[in-house]
Parts: sequence; C-alpha cells; structure tokens
Amino acid sequence: QSALTQPASVSGSPGQSITISCTGTSSDVGNYNYVSWYQQYFGKAPKLIIFHVTKRPSGISYRFSGSKSGKTASLTISGLQADDEADYYCCSYTITNKWVFGGGTKLTVL
Amino acid sequence: EVQLVESGGGLIQPGRSLRLSCAVSGFSVRSNYMGWVRQAPGEGLEWVSVIYSGGGTYYTDSVQGRFTISRDSSSNTLYFQMNSLKVEDTAVYYCAEGGAGEPSGFQHWGRGTLVTVSS
Repeated sequence: QSALTQPASVSGSPGQSITISCTGTSSDVGNYNYVSWYQQYFGKAPKLIIFHVTKRPSGISYRFSGSKSGKTASLTISGLQADDEADYYCCSYTITNKWVFGGGTKLTVL
Repeated sequence: EVQLVESGGGLIQPGRSLRLSCAVSGFSVRSNYMGWVRQAPGEGLEWVSVIYSGGGTYYTDSVQGRFTISRDSSSNTLYFQMNSLKVEDTAVYYCAEGGAGEPSGFQHWGRGTLVTVSS
C-alpha cells in the first residue's frame, strides 16, 4: 500500500488561512469518508483533529476544518496562530481493512 | 479518562524478538479497534497493524508474517510481538485506539516506546 500524497511543507502568516491536500486512490480516500487528520508537535504523540473527513473531536478549535473531493482530502486552518506550527498527517481507511497515512506536511507560521 | 501506556521497547539486535505492551484504561480492549503506528527517526507516521473488535487482524506488508498483534481482556492490554527484527524496524511505536463504531481514525494515543534494532 502506498502512502497518501501530501505537500512536504506549507507556510502562512498569522491570521491567514492555509490548506493542506492529501491525495489517495480509489482504494482509500476516493472510496470512503473515513479520512482523519492529525497534528504532531516534535517529540510528542499525534493528536486527532479531524475524523470522517469533516468532523472535529471535542475540544478541537473551529479553525480546523476538513473537506474531500474525489480522491483528494483537504485540511484548512483559518486564522493561523503561532502554536499551529507543527506537522500534519492525513490518514485513510482502505478497502483491505488496513489504514494508510500521508507522508506528512510541515506547517511553518511566518 | 482514556489512557494508553506503552512499554517493552529498547535496544535489540537484528533477527531477535521483542514484545511491546500497551496498558489500557478507560475502555475495554475488546470493544474498540486498536492499532500500532510507528515513526522512524526523522520520518513520518506509518500505520503498522490493527485489531478490530471482532478479532480480525491486519498488517502492513513489510511486517506481515513477522509481527503479531493481540489483546488480553483480563489485563486490558494490547500486545505486539515482533520477531525477526530488522534495522529498518527502528522507530517509536505508538499504541492507538480507534473507537467502537465506524472507522474514525485513531482517537487516543500513547506516548510511544522506542525500538532500536542495531548490532
């Protein structure tokens, strides 16, 4: 199974919005609404911020939103803040009952 | 409160075996799907294995036949038996919980345990 495709890095200024894409195949992202997103700070465990493409777990800021079109899912962070600077990973359930992560995107807040 | 605490990592020679444990509190290991996700030094997250509430188990291709995921309801613990370890298995291994219903990703994570495979 191949990793989902994410940009290696994105950047934005405080207050701006950024979007991170996550491209898969018809065997994963394109076949299910079971895409999730994770935020990871250096040396820390990942944290779930979006599940089922668009849903936010309790306690996650409304500034984080998700969407999907075809085989590509997207994470948008609005009103960028300094502490949004982290690595972000997408993940999808697959038709083989397995899971696959994206390669990760490093977000830099300028 | 859900808590996942991994243990069992360490330095191990290639070809040897290691068993990781993940002590769970806040839910039953039998009721939710659970998995192992690893992260090699300086690299991204890699899904490695999952066990569903019905007992089905799945593995990424690179560990199929070498690693085995299991659970024990009496101790409420998730296990990961890793045999024939290779240098490329070196990573922080995270235990993660996915919920009781539809595949919702991995909601809760442990802090991870480092496995270093080296001679």
